[in-house]
Amino acid sequence: GNSVTQMEGPVTLSEEAFLTINCTYTATGYPSLFWYVQYPGEGLQLLLKATKADDKGSNKGFEATYRKETTSFHLEKGSVQVSDSAVYFCALSDYTGNQFYFGTGTSLTVIP
Amino acid sequence: DAGVIQSPRHEVTEMGQEVTLRCKPISGHNSLFWYRQTMMRGLELLIYFNNNVPIDDSGMPEDRFSAKMPNASFSTLKIQPSEPRDSAVYFCASSPMGGANQPQHFGDGTRLSIL
Repeated sequence: GNSVTQMEGPVTLSEEAFLTINCTYTATGYPSLFWYVQYPGEGLQLLLKATKADDKGSNKGFEATYRKETTSFHLEKGSVQVSDSAVYFCALSDYTGNQFYFGTGTSLTVIP
Repeated sequence: DAGVIQSPRHEVTEMGQEVTLRCKPISGHNSLFWYRQTMMRGLELLIYFNNNVPIDDSGMPEDRFSAKMPNASFSTLKIQPSEPRDSAVYFCASSPMGGANQPQHFGDGTRLSIL
């Protein structure tokens, strides 16, 4: 079946540190992959997406590359800010678009 | 553009009472999803609709939970009777139909507390 596994949190980093949050997936066919961000008291917001192998999604300094050979979609940012403190969810949409699978979320805290 | 609108934002009620959560999806979106989020269980899909028709309700925890979508611009999630373990944040999301590359757009959620 389809599933998403992301690294356990919480993650605490100092401002300007490099961020990696790992995400791997299992899927039938050719899924699309997403990262969502949830700030305190808010709903999930789409951060970036990639719809086919080797695509790189990017937004607000965050990047993730769709790696079919390793079934991964790791989130990276070169220099985090305090304002990036949030919970990050990796997600997969199956090839039909009718099923969405979310990871368990990774809490990130950035300290000044 | 207006996003997904949920009401109420907060609901506090006593156990045994009926609770109704409301959602207005983004205009033109054909798919609507209800989720529940708790610390213990994370984000759980309860039910989703395509073109107002329930497609998969396997995530609905019990018969106390029911969801309807009478038209393309409105959906409700009802809990009757409510129990303290139903306390959670409930999210509604919508997306356009048409394939795997369509993201879901979330509302700000309803924080439900059952005393």
